[in-house]
Amino acid sequence: AQTVTQSQPEMSVQEAETVTLSCTYDTSESNYYLFWYKQPPSRQMILVIRQEAYKQQNATENRFSVNFQKAAKSFSLKISDSQLGDTAMYFCAPPFADMRFGAGTRLTVKP
Amino acid sequence: DTEVTQTPKHLVMGMTNKKSLKCEQHMGHRAMYWYKQKAKKPPELMFVYSYEKLSINESVPSRFSPECPNSSLLNLHLHALQPEDSALYLCASSQERGASTEAFFGQGTRLTVV
Repeated sequence: AQTVTQSQPEMSVQEAETVTLSCTYDTSESNYYLFWYKQPPSRQMILVIRQEAYKQQNATENRFSVNFQKAAKSFSLKISDSQLGDTAMYFCAPPFADMRFGAGTRLTVKP
Repeated sequence: DTEVTQTPKHLVMGMTNKKSLKCEQHMGHRAMYWYKQKAKKPPELMFVYSYEKLSINESVPSRFSPECPNSSLLNLHLHALQPEDSALYLCASSQERGASTEAFFGQGTRLTVV
């Protein structure tokens, strides 16, 4: 079975600090992609960052980066210099799981 | 155009009503998805269409009936719903099922069953 686990239901961080959200997964595939999505309160779900499993280098998009550990099947999201606008639900949802979402992490950025 | 458009944005319906939700994309995507999302919960996958054929039905009750009349359009027909069916219904599309590209999401339809 291909599953996705997010074990942190809620997290909070002070503005300008760094926070890491975790995601572990299980798949029998060798080449795949991983995605983090963000759903702000009452707003649309959008892609935050993607990682290609065959690439050793961790993906980075501005303040967002991933720590991808293929052998451990771990795909964590690091948000640096947190901003109030980062307050949202964050979901790990890889295509190999037919876009089934993890449980999500509710992140609150505090001023 | 990277939009997935869902209509209506809000819907209130009685338990004996029949209504439909609509989802449209013009990105040439061949996979489309319906989700149900309760407050403070993750979206729950309901249906997946691939090349206009139903690929996945997550044991959804028959009062929800999906339809994919063409590659750009996805409908969800609702009939005899229950109050517990009140939720945000999200539509998404991706280039192909299980592919490397991300999914694009609509803003959702907020459904209230009275």
